[in-house]
Parts: sequence; structure tokens; C-alpha cells
Amino acid sequence: AQSVTQLGSHVSVSEGALVLLRCNYSSSVPPYLFWYVQYPNQGLQLLLKYTSAATLVKGINGFEAEFKKSETSFHLTKPSAHMSDAAEYFCAVSDGTSGTYKYIFGTGTRLKVLA
Amino acid sequence: SQTIHQWPATLVQPVGSPLSLECTVEGTSNPNLYWYRQAAGRGLQLLFYSVGIGQISSEVPQNLSASRPQDRQFILSSKKLLLSDSGFYLCACPRGQGANGNTIYFGEGSWLTVV
Repeated sequence: AQSVTQLGSHVSVSEGALVLLRCNYSSSVPPYLFWYVQYPNQGLQLLLKYTSAATLVKGINGFEAEFKKSETSFHLTKPSAHMSDAAEYFCAVSDGTSGTYKYIFGTGTRLKVLA
Repeated sequence: SQTIHQWPATLVQPVGSPLSLECTVEGTSNPNLYWYRQAAGRGLQLLFYSVGIGQISSEVPQNLSASRPQDRQFILSSKKLLLSDSGFYLCACPRGQGANGNTIYFGEGSWLTVV
């Protein structure tokens, strides 16, 4: 069964500092990986996704993530945090081989940006 | 383009009362549909998914049930709500058919508070 682990339920960074949100996955087949962001009182928006093309994926708002098969990781980074990045971030994995395309999400990481 | 409608957006229900949350998708046909629940500290939990009319798969044992009476309608129900059913319920649907790695999109969610 697939699973996703997000290390750190809360992360705080200073404005302008590097953002690193960790995600490790478990999958018996090549995974498809996603990062979503949820702003307060809103639904989820897609930041970026990995679908077996380039291992370094660039998303919206300056975020990017690198797929590392050897480490089973898909960490999300942003070189310089902005106050508007404060939100909750979810990593997700999907498996389409069964035809059901289940999407399994991590427990989320709440990012706080300090002025 | 594909849109996902959920209602009601917010509701407060007493313990033991019934529940019906509705999700309708426009702009696609024969979609896979998903119900997720977001509870404090528990991330996004997959509750049910459906690959077609009348086809429901349950991911976790619980006090809830789901039905898919029409191709683009997905309903989450309960006969008797528990306090633990409180949370943010999200309906989701992948965009595109047949290809792996389709991005899953979410409705705006329904906030349920059981009192």
C-alpha cells in the first residue's frame, strides 16, 4: 500500500530564509507525487507534481521539488520565504496501476513565516 | 473546464442527527470521485472513492456512508452523527481520464461541526 510521511507538522522560517518541507513516500510502483497548499479557510490548490519526467519539478509561487528515488523523497523547497507563503502544505502520492487512481495524502505541514 | 460544487458550505448538527453532503462535478463524464476529511492534526484522510455509478469503495471503517446515484454526483451521508465526525469534508476529482498522474482537484469543502 502506498503511504506518505511528512516530517514536521509545524515549520517556522524567517522571511527571506530557505523553505524546506519534507516528504517521504512508500510505493511499490513508480509513484506520481504532488504538493498542494491550503491557505486558511480555503480548499487545496496544486503547487506542483511529478509524473516521471524531469526529477526537478518547478511549481507556482517559486516552489520546486526534487524527486529522489534512492531516498524515496520529494521535498519541497523555496529559496526565499515570503509572508504570503504561510499556509498548510500537503504531499500526496497516487497510483494509477489499479485503475482506481487513489490519492493518498500526508498529514500536512503548517508553515509559519516570521517577520 | 471542470468544476466541483459542494454544499452546504457550513453546517452545525447535533449529535445523533443525520447528515447529507452533496458533491456535483461539471465539465467531465464518468469521473473518479473522492471524499476526504480533514480533521485537526490528522491531515487529509481518504474516506471513500468511486469509479462509477453505484460503485463505492470505503477506505476506513466509520459512521459514514457514500453513494453515487448519478455519474457526476457523489453524496456523503450518516444516519446518526458522532462528535468525532466534525471536520472539513472535501470532494475531489481528477482532471483528465486514462492517463496516470492526473492532478486531483478539490471542491471548496463543507465544514461540519457536530455539537
